[in-house]
Amino acid sequence: DAGVTQSPTHLIKTRGQQVTLRCSPKSGHDTVSWYQQALGQGPQFIFQYYEEEERQRGNFPDRFSGHQFPNYSSELNVNALLLGDSALYLCASSFRTSGGPDSQYFGPGTRLLVL
Amino acid sequence: GDSVTQMEGPVTLSEEAFLTINCTYTATGYPSLFWYVQYPGEGLQLLLKATKADDKGSNKGFEATYRKETTSFHLEKGSVQVSDSAVYFCALSDKYTSGTYKYIFGTGTRLKVLA
Repeated sequence: DAGVTQSPTHLIKTRGQQVTLRCSPKSGHDTVSWYQQALGQGPQFIFQYYEEEERQRGNFPDRFSGHQFPNYSSELNVNALLLGDSALYLCASSFRTSGGPDSQYFGPGTRLLVL
Repeated sequence: GDSVTQMEGPVTLSEEAFLTINCTYTATGYPSLFWYVQYPGEGLQLLLKATKADDKGSNKGFEATYRKETTSFHLEKGSVQVSDSAVYFCALSDKYTSGTYKYIFGTGTRLKVLA
């Protein structure tokens, strides 16, 4: 059973460029969340996708956008990159239950460096 | 709003020492509580969880008890090993009014175990 996979593992971009990160959820999961983890910090919630729609969003600007596909995989897009966008981007998948809280499973992350 | 506060690190212990990493939370609802571990260069792995007051989560010798009266979820291990060296994140999961769940992470506590 494959866990959460992310691609690419590392990425170097320059300021002003655009980047797309990809995530495939754990088998059986239908919800994908994206997090930004700056060096030495905890993950910060960017947004969550379920049924191909953005369901919740954290305190991130519109330069951060996403998409979820019918197979539940997801993309994170960041436009007009800033130096401060350099971070580890984590994807987490879960199953959206109606009866109680669920647990997220994290991918290994994509490390983005903006020069 | 919801928040998680954990003790600052780094925590340095000798092998076989007793470990406690403190975590307290604030939440408007009835959150689930989690501990995640992050090894160098990797994503987050779920270590243990507790979904209601007085529940005890345990895994790999680690345990934490959900204390509603003190809003705490301290992580403990009786005898640490060098292989436990990692960053530990306390997190909560709380329900949005829409029915989906949000996750709030602490800033992480780095543990270093010396042989």
